[in-house]
Amino acid sequence: NAGVTQTPKFRVLKTGQSMTLLCAQDMNHEYMYWYRQDPGMGLRLIHYSVGEGTTAKGEVPDGYNVSRLKKQNFLLGLESAAPSQTSVYFCASSYLGPDGNTIYFGEGSWLTVV
Amino acid sequence: AQSVAQPEDQVNVAEGNPLTVKCTYSVSGNPYLFWYVQYPNRGLQFLLKYITGDNLVKGSYGFEAEFNKSQTSFHLKKPSALVSDSALYFCAVRSGYSTLTFGKGTMLLVSP
Repeated sequence: NAGVTQTPKFRVLKTGQSMTLLCAQDMNHEYMYWYRQDPGMGLRLIHYSVGEGTTAKGEVPDGYNVSRLKKQNFLLGLESAAPSQTSVYFCASSYLGPDGNTIYFGEGSWLTVV
Repeated sequence: AQSVAQPEDQVNVAEGNPLTVKCTYSVSGNPYLFWYVQYPNRGLQFLLKYITGDNLVKGSYGFEAEFNKSQTSFHLKKPSALVSDSALYFCAVRSGYSTLTFGKGTMLLVSP
């Protein structure tokens, strides 16, 4: 039972390089999310998707792009990495609905930009 | 806008003693409240949630949380702490179709 899977788990980038983080979920969830976690700041929502082919901005979307071409996958892209994007990135997914459906998280991707 | 406050960066408790991790929230409409736990170098794991009904919610690993509407609080509790409970705990809130908003987290340290 894989749940939410993120790749890669660790990556070091040079400033200005680009990369894509891949998230896959096998729970048939409609909603998918990308968060970043920084010390003392909790989790902040970058972008999210309410279904295949749709995306929306979260709290801190600048410098990131996302795509949801397939229901089970949600990609997070950094076009030109900056040191401020050094963080731990978490993908998550949930069912559609207003009744407090539980969000399930992946194990995280540690990104360092030097 | 919705928000969550976890007023304590760290909570220290001795093993066997009761523990409380505090959370207050602000939201328009009826709140859906969550607690998650994060162990080192791991993702967040769901502990429990409040949607409606009984104000005392029971969750995983012996944890429970009490919803108090008048105080807009959702404190996490456990009657007897274990060393293995040491971790980072996050409170989160959503309302209606909104996305989930997290607090900054509280580090729980349980000493032997």
